[in-house]
Amino acid sequence: QVELQQWGAGLLKPLETLSLSCAVSGGSFSGYQWTWIRQSPEKGLEWIGEISDTGKANYNPSLQSRVIMSIDTSKNQFSLNLNSVTAADTAVYYCARGPRCSSSSCYFRFAYWGPGTQVTVSS
Amino acid sequence: DIVLMQSPSTLSLSPGEDATLSCRTSESIYSSYLAWYQQKPGQAPRLLIYGASIRATGIPDRFSGSGSGTHFTLTINRLEPEDFAMYYCQQYDRSPRYVFGQGTKLQIK
Repeated sequence: QVELQQWGAGLLKPLETLSLSCAVSGGSFSGYQWTWIRQSPEKGLEWIGEISDTGKANYNPSLQSRVIMSIDTSKNQFSLNLNSVTAADTAVYYCARGPRCSSSSCYFRFAYWGPGTQVTVSS
Repeated sequence: DIVLMQSPSTLSLSPGEDATLSCRTSESIYSSYLAWYQQKPGQAPRLLIYGASIRATGIPDRFSGSGSGTHFTLTINRLEPEDFAMYYCQQYDRSPRYVFGQGTKLQIK
C-alpha cells in the first residue's frame, strides 16, 4: 500500500519561502513523476510541478520563477520550495504520485495523494 | 492552453438514482490524458477513473467513465450515500502539464 506523508510550515508571512516535504512508503519510488498540487477556493486544483527520480523537474509556467523542487532517492522523499509567497499562495498543498510512463504508453493520473497541508500566508 | 469545463456545477439527486457528470475540453485529447477524481470535505482527491474509462484499484463498478475527443462522462449508477461529494476531471496538456476542471458538486436532493 503506497502512502505519502507530508510536512512543513503552515503559517508564513509575505515574502517568506514555503517549504514542504513528502515521504513515500510502500511502493516503488523510481520511474514515477512526483508531483505537487495545491487547492484554493479561488483557483481550485492547480498543478504546481513534478520531479522524476533522476531530478528532472517541470513546473507550471505561472509559478516557474518562484518554484524549486528537489528529490532524495536515498530517503524516498521529495520537496517543494516556493519563494516570495503572497496571500494568493494560501492553499492546501498536496503531494501526489504521478504517472510512470513506458515508451509505448502512459496514463496521466495521480493515483496516490498525501493528506494535504494547509498553508496560510498572512502578515 | 486547454480549458476543462465541467457540468453541471451542482447536481441534486437521491440515493438509488443514476448520476451523469460531463467534462468538455477545448481541444480534442487522447483518452489516456483524462482522469476523474472524487473529493470529500477535508480529504485529498481520490482517483476514480483514468484513461477516460479504466476504473482505478478498489473503485466500485457502479462508477464508469466514457467518452472521447472533447467530451467525457462520469456515470455513477445506483447512488450510495457515500457517493455525495465533489467530482473533478483532469487532463494532461503540454503546458501546464495538468489542468483540472472546476468540479461538480453531487449533493443529496
